[in-house]
Amino acid sequence: NAGVTQTPKFRVLKTGQSMTLLCAQDMNHEYMYWYRQDPGMGLRLIHYSVGEGTTAKGEVPDGYNVSRLKKQNFLLGLESAAPSQTSVYFCASSYIGDGETQYFGPGTRLLVL
Amino acid sequence: QQPVQSPQAVILREGEDAVINCSSSKALYSVHWYRQKHGEAPVFLMILLKGGEQKGHEKISASFNEKKQQSSLYLTASQLSYSGTYFCGTESSNDYKLSFGAGTTVTVRA
Repeated sequence: NAGVTQTPKFRVLKTGQSMTLLCAQDMNHEYMYWYRQDPGMGLRLIHYSVGEGTTAKGEVPDGYNVSRLKKQNFLLGLESAAPSQTSVYFCASSYIGDGETQYFGPGTRLLVL
Repeated sequence: QQPVQSPQAVILREGEDAVINCSSSKALYSVHWYRQKHGEAPVFLMILLKGGEQKGHEKISASFNEKKQQSSLYLTASQLSYSGTYFCGTESSNDYKLSFGAGTTVTVRA
């Protein structure tokens, strides 16, 4: 099992460009999450999904969109990147949302110039 | 609202003990603890559930005081491998989302 994988590992964008981050899991998990991690801030939830075809906003959703067309994939989109979106992005998944372990991917480092 | 962790950082010698605290202003269903090594993903350590159930697989213990909405992680007889940043994630009842604290950086020296 690969667990949770993320693509790409690192990306540099110019302000205003768009991109999509891909998260894939092979553990048949229902729940998937996108977090961003900034120095001194810990992990902050951007969006999450409780199942295929469903998405919901987290703590810091502005400037991001997500889609969960297939159970194993969770996509995070930046329509018009801003320097404030420079961060490390982690995807996570869990079998059931409440009281269950979240398994994290290796992260995507994004730099917006 | 993010839980508050303390201390922000701690330096230990091998074999010493440490306690990391996590406090929330909201009623909690569960508390999760993760450790992150520099440049890596967070790794699960333990879950403490309302009612006393615990799930974990490492030689690290924790407590959960539901009334005070607090949890503590106990690093006993620390090893070099315990170095990293520890995060608590709190889950309020029925919302399936974790709010993470800012982290506690632990450095264990030989």
